[in-house]
Amino acid sequence: TQLLEQSPQFLSIQEGENLTVYCNSSSVFSSLQWYRQEPGEGPVLLVTVVTGGEVKKLKRLTFQFGDARKDSSLHITAAQTGDTGLYLCAGRNAGNTPLVFGKGTRLSVIA
Amino acid sequence: KAGVTQTPRYLIKTRGQQVTLSCSPISGHRSVSWYQQTPGQGLQFLFEYFSETQRNKGNFPGRFSGRQFSNSRSEMNVSTLELGDSALYLCASSPWGNLDYGYTFGSGTRLTVV
Repeated sequence: TQLLEQSPQFLSIQEGENLTVYCNSSSVFSSLQWYRQEPGEGPVLLVTVVTGGEVKKLKRLTFQFGDARKDSSLHITAAQTGDTGLYLCAGRNAGNTPLVFGKGTRLSVIA
Repeated sequence: KAGVTQTPRYLIKTRGQQVTLSCSPISGHRSVSWYQQTPGQGLQFLFEYFSETQRNKGNFPGRFSGRQFSNSRSEMNVSTLELGDSALYLCASSPWGNLDYGYTFGSGTRLTVV
C-alpha cells in the first residue's frame, strides 16, 4: 500500500506570512496532485505534477515535485485568510491504480 | 457544465440498517471513484468504476458495494451499518484515458449512524 505522509498536520499562521507544507512517500508516483478542501465541501483540484523536478505556480502558490517523484511541496507566499482549508496531496502509481490521498495539512490563516 | 452531484447531502441511519448513496458525474466523464473521509483516517479509497466495470477496490469489508450504470451514474450501498461507518462519503469523476487528469469531487454525503 502506498502511503503519503503530509506534514505538518496543523498549521496556524498570521496573514502575510509564508509557509511550506510537505508530502512524502517511499513510493514512486507517476503523478501527484494537490487539492484544497473547505468545510462541508469536496476537495478541489489545485494542480497536477507529472515530471520529476517540475515546478508549477498558481498565483501565490508554488508546487514542486521531487526529482525522484516520491515527494512534493506546496509553498504559499503572503498567506491570506482565504487560503484557510485542508490541503491534501494525492498520488497514483503507473497503470490503472487508484488515487491515494495523504491525511492532509489543516491550515488556518488568521487576520 | 454541471458538477458532480451527490444525493442525499445528509443521512441519519440506525445501526443494522442499510443505505444507498448516489453520484451523478460530470457529463462525458466515464470514471467514478468513491472515498470515505473520516477525521482520523482521512480519505480512504472505496471503489473505482469505468464503463460499468469495477476497476479497483479498496480494503473495505464486503458490506460496502457499488455499481455504475450505463449513463455513468453510480451508487454505493452499505449494508448492516455500524457506528464506525459514520463519515463523509465523497464521489469523484474524471475522464478516462489520461491517468494524470485530476478528479472533480462532489460535495459528499454526510452519513451518521446512531
